[in-house]
Amino acid sequence: DIQMTQSPASLSASLGETVSIECLASEGISNDLAWYQQKSGKSPQLLIYAASRLQDGVPSRFSGSGSGTRYSLKISGMQPEDEADYFCQQSYKYPLTFGSGTKLEIK
Amino acid sequence: EIQLQESGPGLVKPSQSLSLTCSVTGYTITSGYDWSWIRKFPGNKMEWMGYISYSGSTNYNPSLKSRISITRDTSKNQFFLQLNSVTTEDTATYYCAREGYPLFDYWGQGVMVTVSS
Repeated sequence: DIQMTQSPASLSASLGETVSIECLASEGISNDLAWYQQKSGKSPQLLIYAASRLQDGVPSRFSGSGSGTRYSLKISGMQPEDEADYFCQQSYKYPLTFGSGTKLEIK
Repeated sequence: EIQLQESGPGLVKPSQSLSLTCSVTGYTITSGYDWSWIRKFPGNKMEWMGYISYSGSTNYNPSLKSRISITRDTSKNQFFLQLNSVTTEDTATYYCAREGYPLFDYWGQGVMVTVSS
């Protein structure tokens, strides 16, 4: 199975701050990576797919980048509604696997 | 609007079977995509469990292959999860989701299942 190592586990950011979350795959995944946001008590929402493509309706302050084994999610200008858990998922090979998640809070 | 909703018992005894239903509205499950079950453990680890495709074929996580079954009722636009011989380690929040490409673009709200005597 492909292991997804996500960091940091938790993060505090001030409003307007830019934050980054990383995922490291145990092998190359050819940009087959998605990012999800999960707010407290809600179901996960797809933010980004194919490493850098924004899902319809997702604010442009969210962006994704990376290649090979290393990928990142950036939020450019933290907003109150961005407080949530974030996790990555590789879609390169079955079984599909997820990162361990990052809890993002407002400082 | 596509919606998925999980239902089933919140408490299951060890060694018994866990059975959940996912009811889909706004899209016919035989029209396309794969229909998955995913679980999130206490501590936030997430695990893809498996899917049933629009054609009825299945694909399971090898870690569960001997215990899992995903079936469907096309007349009700529902699909089901059965997990046999559960232990306390199967305690989790269970989600159904639509899978394509493959990633998950629509999710249910999730149902918390506790395995305890």
